[in-house]
Amino acid sequence: SSELTQDPGVSVALGQTVRITCRGDSLRIYYASWYQQKPGQAPILVIFGKNDRPSGIPDRFSGSSSGDTASLTITGAQAEDEADYYCNSRDSSGEHLVFGAGTKVTVL
Amino acid sequence: QVQLVESGGGVVQPGRSLTLACAAAGFTFSNYAMHWVRQAPGKGLEWVAVISYDGTKKNYADSVKGRFTISRDNSKGTLYLQMNSLRVEDTAIYYCARDVEIVIISWWLDPWGQGALVTVPS
Repeated sequence: SSELTQDPGVSVALGQTVRITCRGDSLRIYYASWYQQKPGQAPILVIFGKNDRPSGIPDRFSGSSSGDTASLTITGAQAEDEADYYCNSRDSSGEHLVFGAGTKVTVL
Repeated sequence: QVQLVESGGGVVQPGRSLTLACAAAGFTFSNYAMHWVRQAPGKGLEWVAVISYDGTKKNYADSVKGRFTISRDNSKGTLYLQMNSLRVEDTAIYYCARDVEIVIISWWLDPWGQGALVTVPS
């Protein structure tokens, strides 16, 4: 299967920790990457590879992977972290990209 | 700084064609693979196509294969997406995005442009 499954939404209290998961068979082979998208804005990359962050991304964002599941963790969530988060990965052929449907993170 | 600026969006009738452009600045365009990703109104992200740094390798999503063509002009620092036989379901914001790694296709996308809206009315 080339699908990536994400929970539609999750909420987190300000300053607390939230984990977003992404499940798919291709994640057994390929790392996921994670993108943050705020309303009316283009997505930005927050995690890629094993657990790499582009410059400028706060270290409260981290990634991990086990079996067919990749996770994005926000440790000490801030109000500005409220956004949609998308995972993606290569599909089983390795020649296409697949995105999850996205998880809306609400910071309470 | 690194910048990607899309242009060419608009309203186009079903069955017609449209070409999007993505102008790159702030980095050596010819060193990087480039991607197109689209987002239908209120929906999630959908990868459309990738082109290698030298234009020799191109891959497409099944939903656009045979209708869309990705290309690049490294001398102009510009990426293109030619869209033919447009359908109502092609209505979306189209983003260009740079691959993270030099020369190879890492399939990690950073940065993204601000997007160009293509509307195919029913």
